[in-house]
Amino acid sequence: QQQVKQSPQSLIVQKGGISIINCAYENTAFDYFPWYQQFPGKGPALLIAIRPDVSEKKEGRFTISFNKSAKQFSLHIMDSQPGDSATYFCAATMVGSSNTGKLIFGQGTTLQVKP
Amino acid sequence: DAGITQSPRHKVTETGTPVTLRCHQTENHRYMYWYRQDPGHGLRLIHYSYGVKDTDKGEVSDGYSVSRSKTEDFLLTLESATSSQTSVYFCAISESRAGNTIYFGEGSWLTVV
Repeated sequence: QQQVKQSPQSLIVQKGGISIINCAYENTAFDYFPWYQQFPGKGPALLIAIRPDVSEKKEGRFTISFNKSAKQFSLHIMDSQPGDSATYFCAATMVGSSNTGKLIFGQGTTLQVKP
Repeated sequence: DAGITQSPRHKVTETGTPVTLRCHQTENHRYMYWYRQDPGHGLRLIHYSYGVKDTDKGEVSDGYSVSRSKTEDFLLTLESATSSQTSVYFCAISESRAGNTIYFGEGSWLTVV
């Protein structure tokens, strides 16, 4: 019940296209869903995050869509650029007094954007 | 970038030897974490600390121990390294326990042969 399942494992998109990565979770107590971007040889860096009280959050070319009833959320990268080529992780956690910031990560998606 | 330094960045060690990875932060954040990253598993929490001398286990803690004697340093020890502990290890820090302000270091690549 603590798992977060992420798909696809890898994704190849042409420059200017839309990249879509999906995640599903089971634990309905999760209330914070961040996405991390990781470049080779670097640590993950927070990209964008959403709380379940909204269905969509947009920051520049990056959008999270959230479906609470289906327990799914997805990352959309519009106008994908070669510089977006990286590994993306979805995650979930519980932002509460009993939590200590423990993130549950998806398996990761390696995105390649072809010029 | 958050002030997190991991050392060593790369290490090759033999099965059965002890290994210690160090995480040093300059942000004075209370919470520190050790994660391991493996293909197909994403990142998994090994141990975390919520203050000096206060630590607890994560989801994959077997074979690992930690210590935090100072706010700025969080040590991860593999008492007797095994090949299954070959991985990339990431330290992370957080100012709050809310889970929404976590910053990661650049990783330590450990190979156990």
